Formats: sequence, C-alpha cells, structure tokens
Amino acid sequence: NAGVTQTPKFRVLKTGQSMTLLCAQDMNHEYMYWYRQDPGMGLRLIHYSVGEGTTAKGEVPDGYNVSRLKKQNFLLGLESAAPSQTSVYFCASSRPLDTQYFGPGTRLTVL
Amino acid sequence: AQSVTQLDSQVPVFEEAPVELRCNYSSSVSVYLFWYVQYPNQGLQLLLKYLSGSTLVKGINGFEAEFNKSQTSFHLRKPSVHISDTAEYFCAVIFLSGTYKYIFGTGTRLKVLA
Repeated sequence: NAGVTQTPKFRVLKTGQSMTLLCAQDMNHEYMYWYRQDPGMGLRLIHYSVGEGTTAKGEVPDGYNVSRLKKQNFLLGLESAAPSQTSVYFCASSRPLDTQYFGPGTRLTVL
Repeated sequence: AQSVTQLDSQVPVFEEAPVELRCNYSSSVSVYLFWYVQYPNQGLQLLLKYLSGSTLVKGINGFEAEFNKSQTSFHLRKPSVHISDTAEYFCAVIFLSGTYKYIFGTGTRLKVLA
C-alpha cells in the first residue's frame, strides 16, 4: 500500500498563477484533509471532506478551493497564487474519529 | 472555545535523559487523544493514541503518554531519549461533542543533544 501520496513534491509559482495539488489515498478512508504548515504556527486546516462529493471549510480556507470527485482523491486548487500562500501543504486521510495518515507534503513557493 | 495547548515550543535534552512533552486541552467533554511525530521533511505519523480504556498508553519507539481527565492533560514521556528522537511532536484532540473537531497543538520541537 502506498498510503497517502501527494503530487507534486515541490513547486514554484509566480504571483497570480494557478495550480492544483493532488492527494491520493489507497486506504478507503472516508475523511480527507488539507493542511498548511508554517514555521511557528503548527498545522492549520484549509479544507476537509467527510465523503465523496462533500467538502467543508477549515480554519484558513480563503484563496483555496477543493474537490472530492472520487473517494480516493482530494484536490486543492489555488486560483490566483499569492506570496502569503508560500508554505508546506500536507494532505491526510482517516476513518471517522481516528488516526490521520499524512502524505509527505508539497513545498510551494510563490514569488 | 475548544483548544489544545503545547506550552513548550522547544525542548532541548541530553541523550539518555528522560523527557516529558506537555499537552493540555481546554474542555471537560469526552475526548480522543493522539500524539504524532514529524521528522524533518516528512509528514506526521502516529506515535500513540487514547480512545478508551487504560489511561497509560504505550506507543512506538519507547514513548508513552498518560491521560489525566481531571487535569485535561495528555503528556508524552520517554525514560531515555536518543539522538534519533530529534523531531517535532504534535498533540491532537478530538472533542466528542458538537462538530467533533480534530484539533492539533502547535507542536514541540524536541532536540536531543549528544
């Protein structure tokens, strides 16, 4: 089992460009999450999903959109990237009320 | 508001010394409790969890944690640390009421010194 995978691992964008981060899990988990991690701020939840076709806002959703068209995939989109979105992005999946399994992260730099 | 507090942002400790990383949470409602570890340039991985049963929970790599309901705490301990334990440690809590939020603490960076 690959667990949780994230694509790409690294990306550099210019201000105003768009991109999509892909998260895939092979554990048949219902729940999936997108976090960003910045120095000194821990993990902050961007969006999450409790099942295929459903998404919900987390703590810091502004500037991001998500989609969960298939149970195993959770996409995070940046429509118009800003330098404040420079961060490390982590995807995670879980069964309800249980351990979250994290991907290796995507390091995004917005110039 | 429900919250999770890790008071120590950094903890330096010498190799083979014991360590305790503190985690407190805000509410008296029932909870599920987790500790995760993040090694450099990696995602988080589970160290241990408490869902029910014995309040002393043993995890991987010799770590253990004790759930104290009256103090709303879940401190992580290891009797003798190794250099390889250098990492960031996150406490997480699911509050079993309302929206059942899964909340992470801000992390404690453990640095083991030779």
